[in-house]
Amino acid sequence: QKEVEQDPGPLSVPEGAIVSLNCTYSNSAFQYFMWYRQYSRKGPELLMYTYSSGNKEDGRFTAQVDKSSKYISLFIRDSQPSDSATYLCAGNTGGGNKLTFGTGTQLKVEL
Amino acid sequence: NAGVTQTPKFQVLKTGQSMTLQCAQDMNHNSMYWYRQDPGMGLRLIYYSASEGTTDKGEVPNGYNVSRLNKREFSLRLESAAPSQTSVYFCASSEGEEGRANLYNEQFFGPGTRLTVL
Repeated sequence: QKEVEQDPGPLSVPEGAIVSLNCTYSNSAFQYFMWYRQYSRKGPELLMYTYSSGNKEDGRFTAQVDKSSKYISLFIRDSQPSDSATYLCAGNTGGGNKLTFGTGTQLKVEL
Repeated sequence: NAGVTQTPKFQVLKTGQSMTLQCAQDMNHNSMYWYRQDPGMGLRLIYYSASEGTTDKGEVPNGYNVSRLNKREFSLRLESAAPSQTSVYFCASSEGEEGRANLYNEQFFGPGTRLTVL
């Protein structure tokens, strides 16, 4: 079993829809959780991070962590075609530098 | 700032050939990483270097070697390429240093090298 599990998709939504992307994890030591966005044929780039449980909002994006159920979510409001990308969740224990990534969910926002 | 750069962008090898993938960062980061990305497998850590002069194995180190040439450069070598090593390879760097109290420690990724082994 992978430490971070993620539905690979693809997920296709109409422009303007609310998107929910989800991950589960098994490592109880994870303290930091990240969402990376990866456009086609590009390297991943950090979108958001959260520490421990709770919510964090940045514009149209909200990251949510529920440590009791080991569940990580990313919500995208008013989705745009430019949001079409692969979204990777990742966890970090905070005691070192290594990240453990999920497999990524491919999102397509259609006009 | 160029960030993280990788060379080459594309490479085709025959089984048994060797090659070195180059990575450099200009952000004065302490830690550097090599990942491979395969469909359905996500990003998997091959090797990492927490600081200049140190390297450690990641999740999938077999068939690879690394060199942390200096603080800026971290190379990945395939001594005898196999078709199973066909993948997209990403180099990344982050500010943190192993052993010190760390925050989330954002990793910055290069553009990747697409490698095909025939």
